Amino acid sequence: EVQLVESGGGLVQPGGSLRLSCAASRFTFSSYWMSWVRQAPGKGLEWVANIKQDGSEKSYVDSVKGRFTISRDNAKNSLYLQMNSLRAEDTAVYYCARGHSAPDYWGQGTLVTVSS
Amino acid sequence: EIVLTQSPGTLSLSPGERATLSCRASQSITSKFFAWYQQRPGQAPRLLIYDTSTRVTGIPDRFSGSGSGTDFTLTISRLEPEDFAVYYCQHYGTSPPFTFGPGTKVDIK
Repeated sequence: EVQLVESGGGLVQPGGSLRLSCAASRFTFSSYWMSWVRQAPGKGLEWVANIKQDGSEKSYVDSVKGRFTISRDNAKNSLYLQMNSLRAEDTAVYYCARGHSAPDYWGQGTLVTVSS
Repeated sequence: EIVLTQSPGTLSLSPGERATLSCRASQSITSKFFAWYQQRPGQAPRLLIYDTSTRVTGIPDRFSGSGSGTDFTLTISRLEPEDFAVYYCQHYGTSPPFTFGPGTKVDIK
């Protein structure tokens, strides 16, 4: 079955940076759009960003534009999310997910906590 | 931007009962691009229904989706113990934002 494993989460101070990674396996990674979706503690889901198969198209939710960058390395079957200028409101579990907008497979998530 | 409202916030039912979950959009959705997800405690979300009424492969047929315009529904015909969870609706399409509803919790009565 499809496997998505996130890593890179942790505690970071406001204004800091963090890079999340997602290792994909058991499917042809280069054939799929990929997305990041987040969930603040005890809250609902928020789509964050997506990236086309070849990386030529990327989209972001307004609240992270200019601060977050999504990227991928198809040779390594990996998805990334570079997060800069982090704010308290970015605290959430970040899920890597397969698909453009209605993901059909999700990883287990990695927790990002922005706090001083 | 379309805002989604789910009702009720919590639905308390017994195993074997029928669950009807509602999702209302702030404006009419002209496409079929509507999805439902299930999230069990401590787990990642799972896609159940996409394109309003298409079940994902492997999802039991007790789950069904319907709707159009501003009103969409997820129906679970007979609740099984593993169905007690939080359910999210989502409107998606060709361009963001891809909005989720706030969720409906189905818990055991």
